[in-house]
Amino acid sequence: GAGVSQSPSNKVTEKGKDVELRCDPISGHTALYWYRQSLGQGLEFLIYFQGNSAPDKSGLPSDRFSAERTGGSVSTLTIQRTQQEDSAVYLCASSAQGGNTEAFFGQGTRLTVV
Amino acid sequence: GNSVTQMEGPVTLSEEAFLTINCTYTATGYPSLFWYVQYPGEGLQLLLKATKADDKGSNKGFEATYRKETTSFHLEKGSVQVSDSAVYFCALRARNSGNTPLVFGKGTRLSVIA
Repeated sequence: GAGVSQSPSNKVTEKGKDVELRCDPISGHTALYWYRQSLGQGLEFLIYFQGNSAPDKSGLPSDRFSAERTGGSVSTLTIQRTQQEDSAVYLCASSAQGGNTEAFFGQGTRLTVV
Repeated sequence: GNSVTQMEGPVTLSEEAFLTINCTYTATGYPSLFWYVQYPGEGLQLLLKATKADDKGSNKGFEATYRKETTSFHLEKGSVQVSDSAVYFCALRARNSGNTPLVFGKGTRLSVIA
């Protein structure tokens, strides 16, 4: 597609439920990144994919968080047994190969856990 | 590890005032440096970048120079407009053979009043 697409744009869920957030990167981009932006905080790195593999999962806050990427394209971030502190905007970005290239961001998914 | 420190906000300026947002970094080697901007209700977008020492990135009247000696990448604009009101993020990417995640500062909110 023309840009990074994320769905849903907004999600309200009850505490304890599981949620899935989807990211469709720019076609041909090999790298895909998930970040979390909480109110008043910067961007917290969660996980990064190169192709279908995840060389860096260091930012996942707990084992309730997982992510996968299939076919080198779409990625899904899953949060199990959601907690109120999981409420944030979840941002996905993708980039082409190369350390100097910019990352293109989606509009994000605003997750609210009630 | 790699990190970015940028000045705390919020910053409030009158239209046509001079803007500086300070950014310093800590990194192994010579990273690429970026400024991203997030306008109200929109996703992050690249404002400018610099990939090696003494490079100057510029866009929309904004400039930043990669200063290796002071490990800084301060953002400047000579005359701000109301439309520049946004949150500005400084970021770095380590220079490796493949893609690595961007490391962001906490962001600086700029409000420009007429």
